[in-house]
Amino acid sequence: EVQLVESGGGLVKPGGSLRLSCAASGFTFSSYSMNWVRQAPGKGLEWVSSISSSSSYIYYADSVKGRFTISRDNAKNSLYLQMNSLRAEDTAVYYCARDGSDPPDYGMDVWGQGTTVTVSS
Amino acid sequence: AIQMTQSPSSLSASVGDRVTITCRASQGIRNDLGWYQQKPGKAPKLLIYAASSLQSGVPSRFSGSGSGTDFTLTISSLQPEDFATYYCLQDYNYPRTFGQGTKLEIK
Repeated sequence: EVQLVESGGGLVKPGGSLRLSCAASGFTFSSYSMNWVRQAPGKGLEWVSSISSSSSYIYYADSVKGRFTISRDNAKNSLYLQMNSLRAEDTAVYYCARDGSDPPDYGMDVWGQGTTVTVSS
Repeated sequence: AIQMTQSPSSLSASVGDRVTITCRASQGIRNDLGWYQQKPGKAPKLLIYAASSLQSGVPSRFSGSGSGTDFTLTISSLQPEDFATYYCLQDYNYPRTFGQGTKLEIK
């Protein structure tokens, strides 16, 4: 079964750090570009970051650039999001999502269940 | 960044109705657009990719059309399980951008 499972969310104080992980299974992880997408409480979806299959291309939303770092370990079938200098507005459910192809021409076709990040003092 | 404007932001409809949701891009994006369905507390689900291609396993009552700047998602005959929030997402360039969402409610 194709599956993505996020972990690492939690409660953190403003200015703190958190590292999210996404474990992939059931497909050849190294062949797909990957994404992080978040959703603040009661709000819409916001694309956060993308990484190509070989990590050659990395992109960030302006709202997280310089604070978040996306990475992957193809040997471990894992995607990561290192989040530093966290702010209250980073509070959200964070989803990892697979692009159907690399480059992304077929949409984000597999999603994890999400992990919740709460930034509060 | 490309802005994606969805309309309407909310919609009330009945089972069996035909429903259309639109998404307009602030610049041309060829056909690099997907449609997603999200139910409360759940992850989004891909319905349509490349503007008009039906994702595997998605019922044929869902269809997409458009190219350039104007796109539509049509549900031909609403079923009870279709009441959800729908988002468009442009894959044309980075930053990738979602529409603000359309909440489809039961009338």
